[in-house]
Amino acid sequence: DTAVSQTPKYLVTQMGNDKSIKCEQNLGHDTMYWYKQDSKKFLKIMFSYNNKELIINETVPNRFSPKSPDKAHLNLHINSLELGDSAVYFCASSLGLGRYFGPGTRLLVL
Amino acid sequence: GIQVEQSPPDLILQEGANSTLRCNFSDSVNNLQWFHQNPWGQLINLFYIPSGTKQNGRLSATTVATERYSLLYISSSQTTDSGVYFCAVGIQGGSEKLVFGKGTKLTVNP
Repeated sequence: DTAVSQTPKYLVTQMGNDKSIKCEQNLGHDTMYWYKQDSKKFLKIMFSYNNKELIINETVPNRFSPKSPDKAHLNLHINSLELGDSAVYFCASSLGLGRYFGPGTRLLVL
Repeated sequence: GIQVEQSPPDLILQEGANSTLRCNFSDSVNNLQWFHQNPWGQLINLFYIPSGTKQNGRLSATTVATERYSLLYISSSQTTDSGVYFCAVGIQGGSEKLVFGKGTKLTVNP
């Protein structure tokens, strides 16, 4: 009965690789988000989708491409991974103004 | 953009003590939430409180929107309260974006 789930939980990869993180929510929410938490625990929004439409696109390198096949899913694809991409990536969803976060994906780029 | 400042940055308590965490923000908001990130990294939504006072067990929160601050009270702290507490605000105008403070790291010792 997980509300917001992400896969994988851990991702270790080499610089230059391409990887994807998947997110699913079963709350019936219409808005989904990707946040990045850096090594200092600072959380910053990257993208937001409402009903499969991109509504927030912060200053994120275009190596990051979100895709929302339907309201319940928001995936994040990252091309040409760099050392600085190492972080924890959180997916979240909302209906209205509350936010519900997934467990996070810990990405380590070597 | 809106600034969110949390204090103190670090707090160490003995089990059973009470504490108050503060969040100051620089602009009018229509959304304010408190989150707890536990030592395993999970982000839990504690309160949605753009104004007024709410209580949930040993935790309560008060937001004085006109004076641009919010307080989170933890009474009779337990070791399981340890973690990082984040305040996040959304600006008026209908934006879905939440801006996070840098958090207060709470350690409750037995």
